[in-house]
Amino acid sequence: GESVGLHLPTLSVQEGDNSIINCAYSNSASDYFIWYKQESGKGPQFIIDIRSNMDKRQGQRVTVLLNKTVKHLSLQIAATQPGDSAVYFCAEIPNTGGFKTIFGAGTRLFVKA
Amino acid sequence: NAGVMQNPRHLVRRRGQEARLRCSPMKGHSHVYWYRQLPEEGLKFMVYLQKENIIDESGMPKERFSAEFPKEGPSILRIQQVVRGDSAAYFCASSPGTGVLEKLFFGSGTQLSVL
Repeated sequence: GESVGLHLPTLSVQEGDNSIINCAYSNSASDYFIWYKQESGKGPQFIIDIRSNMDKRQGQRVTVLLNKTVKHLSLQIAATQPGDSAVYFCAEIPNTGGFKTIFGAGTRLFVKA
Repeated sequence: NAGVMQNPRHLVRRRGQEARLRCSPMKGHSHVYWYRQLPEEGLKFMVYLQKENIIDESGMPKERFSAEFPKEGPSILRIQQVVRGDSAAYFCASSPGTGVLEKLFFGSGTQLSVL
């Protein structure tokens, strides 16, 4: 759901390891989920999306898993690289009409060389 | 095809002044969204506009804030009589408006600092 003014949780991984970033979403009626990556000083950038009728989707080095039972979304990054260091946001689009996207609180990923 | 363009990149205002933030969507995109981000926080939805219409302004404060997306020209987010609490990064995003579920394309944001 909407971020509530908390400092970002941080995940620190070694270069080459796999990263798993988790997100709990708020609206069980949401149809569409997206992961965005935000680098310092830039706007969020689309990474991968998944529709509510799926439970897994793979991209290049990234996989998104959706568990609608517990309203949980995760982003897996394989062979994490220094360029993956950023803040990652999950986002949902409720099926209430319109295109409003609601962002989660975000997770900061640090990749150690 | 240029991305979403926001200007200015940085804007400094004194308390009580007006701030005008501009956003030109990607070519062919008819939907514009404004989000606000405080340091170390997520993006908070403010307003969603289509050409000449405000579709959803549920996230925008009722006072001092307004937004428009005219038929010609960029979308404008206007903040009147700014206060220190308005200091934040304001991001604009656009989408084609052709589908039911769409990803957003974001600009680089305007960092507003209120002295």
